[in-house]
Amino acid sequence: ILNVEQSPQSLHVQEGDSTNFTCSFPSSNFYALHWYRWETAKSPEALFVMTLNGDEKKKGRISATLNTKEGYSYLYIKGSQPEDSATYLCAPWADKAAGNKLTFGGGTRVLVKP
Amino acid sequence: NAGVTQTPKFQVLKTGQSMTLQCAQDMNHNSMYWYRQDPGMGLRLIYYSASEGTTDKGEVPNGYNVSRLNKREFSLRLESAAPSQTSVYFCASSELTGGPAYEQYFGPGTRLTVT
Repeated sequence: ILNVEQSPQSLHVQEGDSTNFTCSFPSSNFYALHWYRWETAKSPEALFVMTLNGDEKKKGRISATLNTKEGYSYLYIKGSQPEDSATYLCAPWADKAAGNKLTFGGGTRVLVKP
Repeated sequence: NAGVTQTPKFQVLKTGQSMTLQCAQDMNHNSMYWYRQDPGMGLRLIYYSASEGTTDKGEVPNGYNVSRLNKREFSLRLESAAPSQTSVYFCASSELTGGPAYEQYFGPGTRLTVT
């Protein structure tokens, strides 16, 4: 079972401010890293799938970077809006020896205050 | 295109009762997954099916069985429910053989309470 850590567990952000948070994972046997956004009472939805060291992905005001050598990824939210309030999950994909599947972190819960 | 559907949405069981959670997808995905979500623990994989006819254990398979009925459907069975199985259950699917670059699509979830 992979050790996937997300920090912080939760954060409050003022509307209009930018924020970022971290996903840490084992750097060995890396195949891909997934980010999902999970709004309350809804299902998780994919934001990004990242596979290469140095990858940067962007969707609107949300972007992510990936460092596979040191085993971390950052998710950034620029100019936070109330609709960005959600739990953000990261999930690395390990190789078959470690289980050919996603292992989810505990998530970072973001609350954007108007 | 309904995506991933799950039934039922809610269920209350007594300890020792059995039930089957149903999941279907209409995206022609090869791979399907069952997760459970508990407070503070994120999503944990119970079982998955990389393709029709195959199933494999995930992180927390004890107390569960699965059936990949066909390419569309993947069911999860609790033979003798226990209070520790109180959780929200999510089904998901992904393209082709579910390789690392393919995102997963999640169903709406089943909220199960075992008393």
